[in-house]
Amino acid sequence: AQTVTQSQPEMSVQEAETVTLSCTYDTSENNYYLFWYKQPPSRQMILVIRQEAYKQQNATENRFSVNFQKAAKSFSLKISDSQLGDTAMYFCASNSGTYKYIFGTGTRLKVLA
Amino acid sequence: NAGVTQTPKFRILKIGQSMTLQCTQDMNHNYMYWYRQDPGMGLKLIYYSVGAGITDKGEVPNGYNVSRSTTEDFPLRLELAAPSQTSVYFCASNRHVGADTQYFGPGTRLTVL
Repeated sequence: AQTVTQSQPEMSVQEAETVTLSCTYDTSENNYYLFWYKQPPSRQMILVIRQEAYKQQNATENRFSVNFQKAAKSFSLKISDSQLGDTAMYFCASNSGTYKYIFGTGTRLKVLA
Repeated sequence: NAGVTQTPKFRILKIGQSMTLQCTQDMNHNYMYWYRQDPGMGLKLIYYSVGAGITDKGEVPNGYNVSRSTTEDFPLRLELAAPSQTSVYFCASNRHVGADTQYFGPGTRLTVL
């Protein structure tokens, strides 16, 4: 069975600093996809970044980047130059090409002024 | 595009009452989902649909029903509401599975007293 684990329930970071959120996953599939979603206080979930497992290069979207370690089944999210608007709940998720998306329990990130 | 819209945003029900949560997407997506999010937990799949006329159960379908008569609409019906159904409900959709982004509605906060 697929699982996604986020072991950091809460984190905080000073504005302009860098923070890394951890995620580990387990799957028996060879082809799968990994995602980070952001859920701000408004509750609307939005995609931050995604990674295809067959790509060795780590995905990057502006200040957001991932460290994808396939052998270790690790998929961490790095936020550089943290901004107050980054305060949110962050969910790691996986999909193996079926209808099913598996979500972690989330990490609540607070950016401090 | 409005994306995924959900109504209502908030609702309080009494035990034993019934209600329908509405979900509409205007992106012509094949896949639609209903999740519930309990405090401190990730998203749990209630029901999903792979196209008009086709629905199937997720992890936690008991106490809920769905229908998908059109591509756009995917209502969730709660029959005989119970306190255990107090949660935030999210509707989501995507065109394909795998690398495709899931688009989420703003959520419905439901309280059953």
